[in-house]
Amino acid sequence: DVKVTQSSRYLVKRTGEKVFLECVQDMDHENMFWYRQDPGLGLRLIYFSYDVKMKEKGDIPEGYSVSREKKERFSLILESASTNQTSMYLCASSLRVQASKETQYFGPGTRLLVL
Amino acid sequence: EDQVTQSPEALRLQEGESSSLNCSYTVSGLRGLFWYRQDPGKGPEFLFTLYSAGEEKEKERLKATLTKKESFLHITAPKPEDSATYLCAVLGGANNLFFGTGTRLTVIP
Repeated sequence: DVKVTQSSRYLVKRTGEKVFLECVQDMDHENMFWYRQDPGLGLRLIYFSYDVKMKEKGDIPEGYSVSREKKERFSLILESASTNQTSMYLCASSLRVQASKETQYFGPGTRLLVL
Repeated sequence: EDQVTQSPEALRLQEGESSSLNCSYTVSGLRGLFWYRQDPGKGPEFLFTLYSAGEEKEKERLKATLTKKESFLHITAPKPEDSATYLCAVLGGANNLFFGTGTRLTVIP
């Protein structure tokens, strides 16, 4: 079974704090993704990575950065948290970019509240 | 522009009352269409992947079908435990997954 874990289920931070969200997958997947999910807006892609030390911007990268130092780990960083970053953050992974291997598997999510 | 629209936004069914959820899409070069189930406060759980028009996949009371413009998730004789939000997503030529906003299904005992 594919297992994607996220470091926290719930986080409360203050405006201006630096926030780290960690994601680990145990299936040797090449691709990893960070999304945020907001009511009425669905899932929106923040950043993704196809390989170690590689990253690409998604649809809404502003205010975020990422790090992928190891294949199994993908971190999302909020350099200076703001209230509009209050959201549910979801990490996903997939085996590779090729037909029949692209299914993304999701972690349980981190609900972040920025005060 | 790639787009995914799901309907209805919400659906209430009596236990045993079969129905269908719709996912219509516009995408250049469809490489896959995905269905997920999401329970409140949890991450999406993968259900099906469909790759070409005419393809069908089944799992218990769920059956997913695909045409060139839309996909349907048919729910046969639903049970209360099928209550969840069902998400549809499409993968186009740009390697990005586009999600719909989901259909919130409630099955009443």
